[in-house]
Amino acid sequence: AQKVTQAQTEISVVEKEDVTLDCVYETRDTTYYLFWYKQPPSGELVFLIRRNSFDEQNEISGRYSWNFQKSTSSFNFTITASQVVDSAVYFCALSEEYGGSQGNLIFGKGTKLSVKP
Amino acid sequence: DAGITQSPRYKITETGRQVTLMCHQTWSHSYMFWYRQDLGHGLRLIYYSAAADITDKGEVPDGYVVSRSKTENFPLTLESATRSQTSVYFCASSPWGRGLGELFFGEGSRLTVL
Repeated sequence: AQKVTQAQTEISVVEKEDVTLDCVYETRDTTYYLFWYKQPPSGELVFLIRRNSFDEQNEISGRYSWNFQKSTSSFNFTITASQVVDSAVYFCALSEEYGGSQGNLIFGKGTKLSVKP
Repeated sequence: DAGITQSPRYKITETGRQVTLMCHQTWSHSYMFWYRQDLGHGLRLIYYSAAADITDKGEVPDGYVVSRSKTENFPLTLESATRSQTSVYFCASSPWGRGLGELFFGEGSRLTVL
């Protein structure tokens, strides 16, 4: 069965520190997709990245980077030089091509990141 | 460019009352979803729809009813609200099935059942 685990419930860092949010997933499909969403205090869900199971290249976007490792079923998210505006709840999510519902995402429980000035 | 809108944004109701949360998208996306967000649970799928007149249950469908007579609307009805249905509800849409792309979320509807 598909499952996403975000073991870190809350993380608190001081501004300019680097922080890594962990995500471990379970799936039986060979084709699947992984996502990260950000939920700032205002409550909306902001899409950050999508990665398919055949693309293990790491990705960097500004201060954000993602490390996808199929060998460990992990899709970790690193924020470099964190800023107060990064304070939010971050969700990792999984979608399978053939299993489950059509196109819905299975979410982890989220990691609340607090960045203090 | 309204995108996807939910109404009402905030609702307080009493146990046993019927409540309908509305979701409207302007993109003509085929797929639409209802999630609920609860502390300690993340987001869980209630119902989804692949097209007009096609709906199916998600992970936590009990106590909810959906319909989709038009592509752009996907209302969620709580026929007899219970306190356990106090939650934040998110509607989402996508033009892609099978996880080929991200979901586009509404701003959420916060429902309190007293």
